[in-house]
Amino acid sequence: KAGVTQTPRYLIKTRGQQVTLSCSPISGHRSVSWYQQTPGQGLQFLFEYFSETQRNKGNFPGRFSGRQFSNSRSEMNVSTLELGDSALYLCASSPSPTGGNQPQHFGDGTRLSIL
Amino acid sequence: QKEVEQNSGPLSVPEGAIASLNCTYSDRGSQSFFWYRQYSGKSPELIMFIYSNGDKEDGRFTAQLNKASQYVSLLIRDSQPSDSATYLCAVVRHDPQGGSEKLVFGKGTKLTVNP
Repeated sequence: KAGVTQTPRYLIKTRGQQVTLSCSPISGHRSVSWYQQTPGQGLQFLFEYFSETQRNKGNFPGRFSGRQFSNSRSEMNVSTLELGDSALYLCASSPSPTGGNQPQHFGDGTRLSIL
Repeated sequence: QKEVEQNSGPLSVPEGAIASLNCTYSDRGSQSFFWYRQYSGKSPELIMFIYSNGDKEDGRFTAQLNKASQYVSLLIRDSQPSDSATYLCAVVRHDPQGGSEKLVFGKGTKLTVNP
């Protein structure tokens, strides 16, 4: 069974640009969560999608948005990039929404660098 | 008080010893607890999950949960150099702002196993 697939693996952007990251969950998993990981803040929750609906959102500005498609694939968009957005962005999938006692499994992440 | 707290380490143990990793959480209503291992430059990998008070063993790993003390730990027996990684504790908690559950991570404990 294929794992969680994130594309691209690496991305370099400049301030003010926007970026779209993609995540394909494990087959059969309908929940997709996104996290930002930085050395100072650790893993921070961005949002979770289940059945194309956003279930929850973390404390990030509105520049961070996402969506989920009918095949459970998810995209995350960051607009007007800032230097502080440089981070590893991780996607995790699960068969059920968070709280349903099913663990989340992570993809390899997208490392975003802002110049 | 932070939602999930871990000693940042580094924790250094000799090969063959028992490594003990600890985590406390603030939400008394939390029901699901997870341990992830993250090698440098890699994404988090699920090691254990525990939902009930007491111990849960899987090979060399034992997770311990004490809900009354809001404490969860991970023991690694017969530690190997390949166990050297950062261990992340994650707790499902209800988010009153978002109206649903979210997975909250500690900042991780860096473990080094010396040959």
